[in-house]
Amino acid sequence: DTEVTQTPKHLVMGMTNKKSLKCEQHMGHRAMYWYKQKAKKPPELMFVYSYEKLSINESVPSRFSPECPNSSLLNLHLHALQPEDSALYLCASSQEVLAGGRQETQYFGPGTRLLVL
Amino acid sequence: EDQVTQSPEALRLQEGESSSLNCSYTVSGLRGLFWYRQDPGKGPEFLFTLYSAGEEKEKERLKATLTKKESFLHITAPKPEDSATYLCAVQAGNYGQNFVFGPGTRLSVLP
Repeated sequence: DTEVTQTPKHLVMGMTNKKSLKCEQHMGHRAMYWYKQKAKKPPELMFVYSYEKLSINESVPSRFSPECPNSSLLNLHLHALQPEDSALYLCASSQEVLAGGRQETQYFGPGTRLLVL
Repeated sequence: EDQVTQSPEALRLQEGESSSLNCSYTVSGLRGLFWYRQDPGKGPEFLFTLYSAGEEKEKERLKATLTKKESFLHITAPKPEDSATYLCAVQAGNYGQNFVFGPGTRLSVLP
């Protein structure tokens, strides 16, 4: 089973709201990722967690705050977002992030469609 | 700087008309090339992973190949349900960063 689940599927929020996106995998993967995807563009990496520790933050604004409570769960906390943050937010997982050598395949969830008004 | 390009940007095929999609990359230290299929509004669906020049993988009507500079996704006798955006991504660098997607090829297969 290569399933990554994400909730909610859709989210509409105002610029003053606080909300969270959730991601879960039960494949025993030790690396988890957040991506942002705008319409007709490829996914862009936001954050990487390896063994529940944040290993990569691709210069993402502080209004996005990731959290990895355990090896199966990944959250993305949203606060004071801007309309330009509206996008499809994708979660992915892989066996692990390797230091050198072959990279493991990333498996993606269905995404959360976020609209900021 | 690591770069991934894909061509064509869009492709329309008649059902049964075979063709190939191209993914060209300029990276230092390739550690994997990945093909995904993405339907509108959904997450990318994994297709293939390739690691070494000369490697080939097949799945139903799809076959992926890899050279030192590019990868091809061959589609044999496509069906309308093969319509989607096909993304390639490369992993490079010394640590698990630099997972870079190409812009994608939008494939439409007409009945």
